[in-house]
Amino acid sequence: DAKTTQPTSMDCAEGRAANLPCNHSTISGNEYVYWYRQIHSQGPQYIIHGLKNNETNEMASLIITEDRKSSTLILPHATLRDTAVYYCIVRVGNYGQNFVFGPGTRLSVLP
Amino acid sequence: EPEVTQTPSHQVTQMGQEVILRCVPISNHLYFYWYRQILGQKVEFLVSFYNNEISEKSEIFDDQFSVERPDGSNFTLKIRSTKLEDSAMYFCASRAGQGNQPQHFGDGTRLSIL
Repeated sequence: DAKTTQPTSMDCAEGRAANLPCNHSTISGNEYVYWYRQIHSQGPQYIIHGLKNNETNEMASLIITEDRKSSTLILPHATLRDTAVYYCIVRVGNYGQNFVFGPGTRLSVLP
Repeated sequence: EPEVTQTPSHQVTQMGQEVILRCVPISNHLYFYWYRQILGQKVEFLVSFYNNEISEKSEIFDDQFSVERPDGSNFTLKIRSTKLEDSAMYFCASRAGQGNQPQHFGDGTRLSIL
């Protein structure tokens, strides 16, 4: 089973920041937090990942709480093309372990 | 940017027939995966492959399924005798070998069993 819980759905106004929360209260010390999204029936698209420090790339920012029990994915200026299902996945980084997908959060960016 | 490519994009097969789904992972990646997603449901792990052998598989991946890396570029999933419930999107993913690198997914093959 997925080790994360996420809200089922969220709305965000176009141009505003979208903040997607994820709870992973049972995360282990060597487990990373990965974020993916899936647009329609396309393959999951990698967004960002982190261990304990906050991370930023060209797509998003990842804020991980100090106790690592939760995190937030931030899309700074959401566009209509960001409408998708967003998945938060916790997994050990090494050894190529498979991902366990939960139902994710369906983000709707509204004009 | 390098990407995982999957063919065909859509495969229609009669129940009981064999089907092979093909994937070209990102060059120099070492870990390979198959996942599936039944319409309206979650993405489910099927199998992972490393160093020319299966490293992990789920309960879904029964004797009807097999994987192969026949050459240095392709990674295939074979379903020997398809059932109606095998209808799903099948996603291939690959991952570089080092550390915590993420998996990169292809856009999938839609398998329809009639």
